[in-house]
Amino acid sequence: GQQLNQSPQSMFIQEGEDVSMNCTSSSIFNTWLWYKQDPGEGPVLLIALYKAGELTSNGRLTAQFGITRKDSFLNISASIPSDVGIYFCAGPTGNQFYFGTGTSLTVIP
Amino acid sequence: NAGVTQTPKFQVLKTGQSMTLQCAQDMNHEYMSWYRQDPGMGLRLIHYSVGAGITDQGEVPNGYNVSRSTTEDFPLRLLSAAPSQTSVYFCASSYSKGQGRYEQYFGPGTRLTVT
Repeated sequence: GQQLNQSPQSMFIQEGEDVSMNCTSSSIFNTWLWYKQDPGEGPVLLIALYKAGELTSNGRLTAQFGITRKDSFLNISASIPSDVGIYFCAGPTGNQFYFGTGTSLTVIP
Repeated sequence: NAGVTQTPKFQVLKTGQSMTLQCAQDMNHEYMSWYRQDPGMGLRLIHYSVGAGITDQGEVPNGYNVSRSTTEDFPLRLLSAAPSQTSVYFCASSYSKGQGRYEQYFGPGTRLTVT
């Protein structure tokens, strides 16, 4: 099935640094979703975006719906150790969802 | 509001055995899906349902059956387990907010090993 291109694949950062990751698609989406998955757990929905250009925040997380509707961005400010995990994007076509390949984030204290 | 629940959390099966993975949601969502997650493969859709009594195949349906008799429940049945079905299985429920806008929520997963 279709996979969304997500980058970077992994990141190793110092605690306190900001993080940026992005997701691109060959198709237009009307929804972009961002998830975080901790080891051994299910993905947790962080942010949902519905409008091109929209910027939405959830605490230290900010996500943007790209104006082309083919990309989305997630930023994490002032990272902390509990930000460790895999982040991935998702976009639906109808009620079927397509997922990014994931960005593995490691935060070094 | 428990969201999406899955049981069991862990399961070990022998090749050829059958079992049912349970999934329930209490959010009255119309859509439910089953995914498997394997290293390097991401999330792959097994089966999905757009409402009670309606199911359809996803990307990797072989070896699995589903049914949806109620809005709340969406069990996944492994008919004759094979080692290739060793994976982590996630159930998800989603709903439409109209105009192509959706939200999807995942359960905690079932870790299945087939020996």
